[in-house]
Amino acid sequence: AQKVTQAQTEISVVEKEDVTLDCVYETRDTTYYLFWYKQPPSGELVFLIRRNSFDEQNEISGRYSWNFQKSTSSFNFTITASQVVDSAVYFCALSGPSGTYKYIFGTGTRLKVLA
Amino acid sequence: AAGVIQSPRHLIKEKRETATLKCYPIPRHDTVYWYQQGPGQDPQFLISFYEKMQSDKGSIPDRFSAQQFSDYHSELNMSSLELGDSALYFCASSLRTGGDIRNEKLFFGSGTQLSVL
Repeated sequence: AQKVTQAQTEISVVEKEDVTLDCVYETRDTTYYLFWYKQPPSGELVFLIRRNSFDEQNEISGRYSWNFQKSTSSFNFTITASQVVDSAVYFCALSGPSGTYKYIFGTGTRLKVLA
Repeated sequence: AAGVIQSPRHLIKEKRETATLKCYPIPRHDTVYWYQQGPGQDPQFLISFYEKMQSDKGSIPDRFSAQQFSDYHSELNMSSLELGDSALYFCASSLRTGGDIRNEKLFFGSGTQLSVL
């Protein structure tokens, strides 16, 4: 069975602090894809990153970075020098090798960045 | 750039009524996905279409049906509405290049907020 666990329901940080959002996944597929989406208060889902299971390179995009570790089935997301505009719910998602976006989402982590 | 358009943005219905949600994918996108996100919940996959044919099915109730039309827009029809159907319904589209997800990127619409009273 596939499952995504985001154990942190809500995190509050003060602006400019670094914050890491955890994502642990379960799958029996050897090929799979992991994603992070941001859902700001306006409600839309904003794509942040896609990572496939055979590429364990970590990725950095501006203040965002992702740490993919197959050994621990984790795909954590770090925001460096957080800003108030980063306040949102962040979802980690998993899809299998079938070539569809039939995502399994985690329950999301609500990040509050305080000024 | 054009994005995924969903209409209406908000919809209020009463129990046992019907509702139709529309989704207009990004031009030239051939694949549409529908997701349901209940209050405080994670999005749940409902159904998807590729080239106007249903390609996958998730936790979609029998009271719901959907289709993708010749112009690739999609409609989600919901009948005998229940209070528990109140949710944000997302549509997303992608271009399935050669059937390989590695070439795809999924774009979400802003959602339709359905409230059943």
